[in-house]
Amino acid sequence: GNSVTQMEGPVTLSEEAFLTINCTYTATGYPSLFWYVQYPGEGLQLLLKATKADDKGSNKGFEATYRKETTSFHLEKGSVQVSDSAVYFCALSDFISNFGNEKLTFGTGTRLTIIP
Amino acid sequence: NAGVTQTPKFQVLKTGQSMTLQCAQDMNHNSMYWYRQDPGMGLRLIYYSASEGTTDKGEVPNGYNVSRLNKREFSLRLESAAPSQTSVYFCASSEGRTKISNQPQHFGDGTRLSIL
Repeated sequence: GNSVTQMEGPVTLSEEAFLTINCTYTATGYPSLFWYVQYPGEGLQLLLKATKADDKGSNKGFEATYRKETTSFHLEKGSVQVSDSAVYFCALSDFISNFGNEKLTFGTGTRLTIIP
Repeated sequence: NAGVTQTPKFQVLKTGQSMTLQCAQDMNHNSMYWYRQDPGMGLRLIYYSASEGTTDKGEVPNGYNVSRLNKREFSLRLESAAPSQTSVYFCASSEGRTKISNQPQHFGDGTRLSIL
């Protein structure tokens, strides 16, 4: 079955540091790939997505490129801020019904803490 | 701009008690989902509803039942709670009804449930 392997945390960085959170996947077919972010006490929010190979998703300074050859979707940001402290989840989608519903398979999450 | 609303936010139950977690969305989405989030395991799909009037099992359905009351509401019921069901439960919704594989799911803030 499908699976997502995500960099274990927690990750602690200083403000303005460069961030990489690794994500690799195993899937049949051509899934879409997502990064979700969870701030303390809140639900998950979509951060960015990519739907096909070589697509780059970007949002709020974060980027991730869908690499089919390495089955990876690593999250990067050039200069992190304290407000980026959160848990980040890599996920892939799989159709589960003819209505276009998608089962999201999640990684285990990476807790990121940014210190001033 | 409520999005997905879950109630209650916190609940403590004794083993064997029953309860229903409520979820409502105001985005006119067709599809709704229930997940549980456990430490080190990411999110796992319990049940989903492709559209009003239909429900299907996800990855971990045992011990749960669901009801899609109408297009807005999707409830999760624990008939006889067990300590293994201690978790954070998230409801999500998405547009559905398309075969384009890139629909984001929108999440509620979660219900933290403890079974003693």
